[in-house]
Amino acid sequence: DTGVSQDPRHKITKRGQNVTFRCDPISEHNRLYWYRQTLGQGPEFLTYFQNEAQLEKSRLLSDRFSAERPKGSFSTLEIQRTEQGDSAMYLCASSKDTSEAFFGQGTRLTVV
Amino acid sequence: GEDVEQSLFLSVREGDSSVINCTYTDSSSTYLYWYKQEPGAGLQLLTYIFSNMDMKQDQRLTVLLNKKDKHLSLRIADTQTGDSAIYFCAENLGNYGQNFVFGPGTRLSVLP
Repeated sequence: DTGVSQDPRHKITKRGQNVTFRCDPISEHNRLYWYRQTLGQGPEFLTYFQNEAQLEKSRLLSDRFSAERPKGSFSTLEIQRTEQGDSAMYLCASSKDTSEAFFGQGTRLTVV
Repeated sequence: GEDVEQSLFLSVREGDSSVINCTYTDSSSTYLYWYKQEPGAGLQLLTYIFSNMDMKQDQRLTVLLNKKDKHLSLRIADTQTGDSAIYFCAENLGNYGQNFVFGPGTRLSVLP
């Protein structure tokens, strides 16, 4: 297992377009997290899955954001009608229960 | 609130020890973590400490936890240029340990 994998690594999109990111967690990990990191800041929690169930969503996750983990393995994060303020690094992490989370390399989104 | 605080910058000379400090807010955090982020990369878990421990040593890394003062520190012995990165302190909130809250990060610069 090569760790948490995210795709794409970089995405440039025009304002108003929809984008979707994918995360493949470490295979035996039942928990999956999405975070957002803007320049000069630490990562901010967005949402969390335990298996296929989305158990918590941050107030940061507006109605334009939706995340799924349909089979309890990979997850997708979709942003609809992107805005310039959505430009950030989107990080995915996974863990087995409450043990330490391992992060992917992230998807850097630039909205122009 | 859920604030994790760190000083933003630290410069040390190669071969010296680095000490990065962090204060956190939630005394119920079970684990506290140190992550390293190199430019353009995702977060790499460096080490973590269970909340009932005072100290943990792992090769050049020493973590000290003062639970009474909610203070966590990371000491890097014999700091090398490859240690230059941003170091994030994180605590694990949520009823089931699913919400990692990160500090703003300390940018460590190692001078030759």
